[in-house]
Amino acid sequence: ETGVTQTPRHLVMGMTNKKSLKCEQHLGHNAMYWYKQSAKKPLELMFVYSLEERVENNSVPSRFSPECPNSSHLFLHLHTLQPEDSALYLCASSSPGGGGEQFFGPGTRLTVL
Amino acid sequence: GQNIDQPTEMTATEGAIVQINCTYQTSGFNGLFWYQQHAGEAPTFLSYNVLDGLEEKGRFSSFLSRSKGYSYLLLKELQMKDSASYLCAARRSNDYKLSFGAGTTVTVRA
Repeated sequence: ETGVTQTPRHLVMGMTNKKSLKCEQHLGHNAMYWYKQSAKKPLELMFVYSLEERVENNSVPSRFSPECPNSSHLFLHLHTLQPEDSALYLCASSSPGGGGEQFFGPGTRLTVL
Repeated sequence: GQNIDQPTEMTATEGAIVQINCTYQTSGFNGLFWYQQHAGEAPTFLSYNVLDGLEEKGRFSSFLSRSKGYSYLLLKELQMKDSASYLCAARRSNDYKLSFGAGTTVTVRA
């Protein structure tokens, strides 16, 4: 499998549930990102990991908890979410330097009831 | 700070040309990216400009003016498959983070 993959593609959860989103990249990159994409709004950067260390946390509520066990995998743990957290969650990866373009996964469409 | 502006929607006819403008106010600017995103799919990289001027890639071209804080994406010989959202994103110096605009939805009509 190549590129950036995300699972699940769709997730419906209640406000009291705990779930996790998974991202995997097969591009040999060493930086990984979580973004939130809501309708008609810009992509919002949530977290950045570089060389498995978190280097950015964009004032994201603590009900979102990222984990990066190695340079190929990134998780987003979710608990006690709110309906306004319903959105498309995109994972991306890149190599610093040069063009540094980010490669995106297909996203997880999250609905919080 | 970061402020990226682009039009919300554009409509054009198959075979025509469309130009999507993007203005940015980015401290320590170091590059402008364009991405294409079809509904329900991942954004895919189209182009990257760091120097002033025009970069051409087949039917798509991207232009940058650093002094004006301005870029455009030019789509020529439009095809139905070009119907998508086009995202403009600016990068800061010494920083691998991107700040995105809200995207321009382009609809190509027969």
